Amino acid sequence: KNEVEQSPQNLTAQEGEFITINCSYSVGISALHWLQQHPGGGIVSLFMLSSGKKKHGRLIATINIQEKHSSLHITASHPRDSAVYICAVGMYNNNDMRFGAGTRLTVKP
Amino acid sequence: NAGVTQTPKFQVLKTGQSMTLQCAQDMNHEYMSWYRQDPGMGLRLIHYSVGAGITDQGEVPNGYNVSRSTTEDFPLRLLSAAPSQTSVYFCATKTGYSGNTIYFGEGSWLTVV
Repeated sequence: KNEVEQSPQNLTAQEGEFITINCSYSVGISALHWLQQHPGGGIVSLFMLSSGKKKHGRLIATINIQEKHSSLHITASHPRDSAVYICAVGMYNNNDMRFGAGTRLTVKP
Repeated sequence: NAGVTQTPKFQVLKTGQSMTLQCAQDMNHEYMSWYRQDPGMGLRLIHYSVGAGITDQGEVPNGYNVSRSTTEDFPLRLLSAAPSQTSVYFCATKTGYSGNTIYFGEGSWLTVV
C-alpha cells in the first residue's frame, strides 16, 4: 500500500463546477504539499500546510492531522485548471518526501 | 520554475552508456534532490543533499550517483544506463527541512534503448 493515496485518479468536470481532490497518508509528516503539473511536465507548488486551511484565489487546501487526510478544492473550475494535481508529504524528522500518484483533472468548457 | 535549471531536457541513450543530468539553482537552498517520475506512479526520490559535501540515498538510488561540491550544483550520474531507467527526471530544491516550499526544475526526459 502506498504511503500517500490520492483519489480520484482521473476527474472530468464542466467549467464552473466545484472540484475536490482527496489525499490520505499513513506516515508521520512535518508538512503536506499540493503540487500542480501541467502538460509538458513542469511542476509548481500550490500549497504547503501543516494544519488547518489555506486559500489562494479559487484554490483551497485543508488538512486534518488526526485523520491523516487533506483535500484540495477548486471553486468555479476553468479549463486552464486542467492539470495533474499531486499530493506530497514531508516525512517527519527527516528530509525525505513521499508523493501520491496524482489526480488528472480535465475541465471542459 | 525560475531558479532551478535542468539540462538536458531530452536525451536518448544506448544501454550501457553513461551520462550526467545537470541541476543548478540560484536560490542558495541547502536541500537539493533528484526524483524520477514513471507512468502511474508518484515521484520517487533517488538521492538528496542537505548541503555541499553531503549526500544521501533516497527510495530508488541503485544505478545512480550524485555529488555536491557546491551549493548551486547537484549532478545526477547514470553509471551504465538500462532500459528500466527510462523515465522523466526532476531536480528539486528547498530551504531547510521537509516543511518548506519545494521548487522543481522543468524535467529531463530520458529514453534508454
